[in-house]
Amino acid sequence: GEDVEQSLFLSVREGDSSVINCTYTDSSSTYLYWYKQEPGAGLQLLTYIFSNMDMKQDQRLTVLLNKKDKHLSLRIADTQTGDSAIYFCAERGNAGNMLTFGGGTRLMVKP
Amino acid sequence: DTGVSQNPRHKITKRGQNVTFRCDPISEHNRLYWYRQTLGQGPEFLTYFQNEAQLEKSRLLSDRFSAERPKGSFSTLEIQRTEQGDSAMYLCASSKGLKETQYFGPGTRLLVL
Repeated sequence: GEDVEQSLFLSVREGDSSVINCTYTDSSSTYLYWYKQEPGAGLQLLTYIFSNMDMKQDQRLTVLLNKKDKHLSLRIADTQTGDSAIYFCAERGNAGNMLTFGGGTRLMVKP
Repeated sequence: DTGVSQNPRHKITKRGQNVTFRCDPISEHNRLYWYRQTLGQGPEFLTYFQNEAQLEKSRLLSDRFSAERPKGSFSTLEIQRTEQGDSAMYLCASSKGLKETQYFGPGTRLLVL
């Protein structure tokens, strides 16, 4: 079945950029998403990218998609302590119904 | 637009008991999804509805699990004869249509003792 992989942990200093990486296996992925989850809370949609795009920028967030390598990244500029959370990459295949999530990357921002 | 809401937020039960969770989607969203998230993992798809019709079920959804969306608005997820392995966060999401973004609720955290 489809698989989505992420590194477990990332630590950065406040003000630096953070880059969270994700790889996926489903070549029919149509949309790829980034969600943020704070402790004990649900998932907050951050941004998404359609599979025929290679980059999308939204304020401090930049998403890069390399469809050939099935690699997705999320760059957070000027990372703040409030960005500390778990970030999930998710893909939606051509069937269009369910999302397949990675295991999440815990981002820790040190003051 | 008040977002997706879920009740209760937390549930502690003893093994063997039945539990029921409720999800209220964003109004006018005709698709509703249930996911399960265990500690340290990403959410896993359980089932989804288009209006009142349950269109897909994951093989994770054992016979002890049943979901309904009787009037195409709110949905309930019932777990019968709970087991300790059912302990997880149960997340509900809704979307406006087939290709639309899914918005998640705050989840119901279940602990089975």
